[in-house]
Amino acid sequence: DQQVKQNSPSLSVQEGRISILNCDYTNSMFDYFLWYKKYPAEGPTFLISISSIKDKNEDGRFTVFLNKSAKHLSLHIVPSQPGDSAVYFCAASAKYGNKLVFGAGTILRVKS
Amino acid sequence: DAGVIQSPRHEVTEMGQEVTLRCKPISGHDYLFWYRQTMMRGLELLIYFNNNVPIDDSGMPEDRFSAKMPNASFSTLKIQPSEPRDSAVYFCASRWGLGAFFGQGTRLTVV
Repeated sequence: DQQVKQNSPSLSVQEGRISILNCDYTNSMFDYFLWYKKYPAEGPTFLISISSIKDKNEDGRFTVFLNKSAKHLSLHIVPSQPGDSAVYFCAASAKYGNKLVFGAGTILRVKS
Repeated sequence: DAGVIQSPRHEVTEMGQEVTLRCKPISGHDYLFWYRQTMMRGLELLIYFNNNVPIDDSGMPEDRFSAKMPNASFSTLKIQPSEPRDSAVYFCASRWGLGAFFGQGTRLTVV
């Protein structure tokens, strides 16, 4: 039972263009969402998060959008850079202290 | 703080052997998680602890897997006996507040 789904295994984008990574969830109790970035041979690192009381959170080139009615969130990276090439994981939590449930990840390749 | 520390970084073992993975969380973090990364399932939660107490082990695949947290600064994940299908990268993460910090992982290969 995958409560957090990332349906695109991979995405390829040209440098300078926008990257859009998508994530869907099924558990309506989730109220906090995070994106993690993972390079090969390293652990995932926190990128950006959003609470369910918001529909958008921005941090530099990274913006996360949340559509609660559709149970959908997306991560926008603009402009994309070759250093952004990594695996991106979407994660969700029902409340503080509860477990973080991750999606399967999306491999992003930014071509120069 | 050095972050979450996992050991060993790589482990190659023969089928049937016991394997123990170790984790030192960030000091002061009250939650500890063990995840397994596979191509098919991504980051799969195995078990998590709160203040050294196991809260949810429903992700532990079989009785061959066990985890302990004897104190706030140390946890182990043990597989006995190990099987080739256990080959994966195992991550430990600790949490205080809303985010989680991951270690660099242990790449386990069972031959």
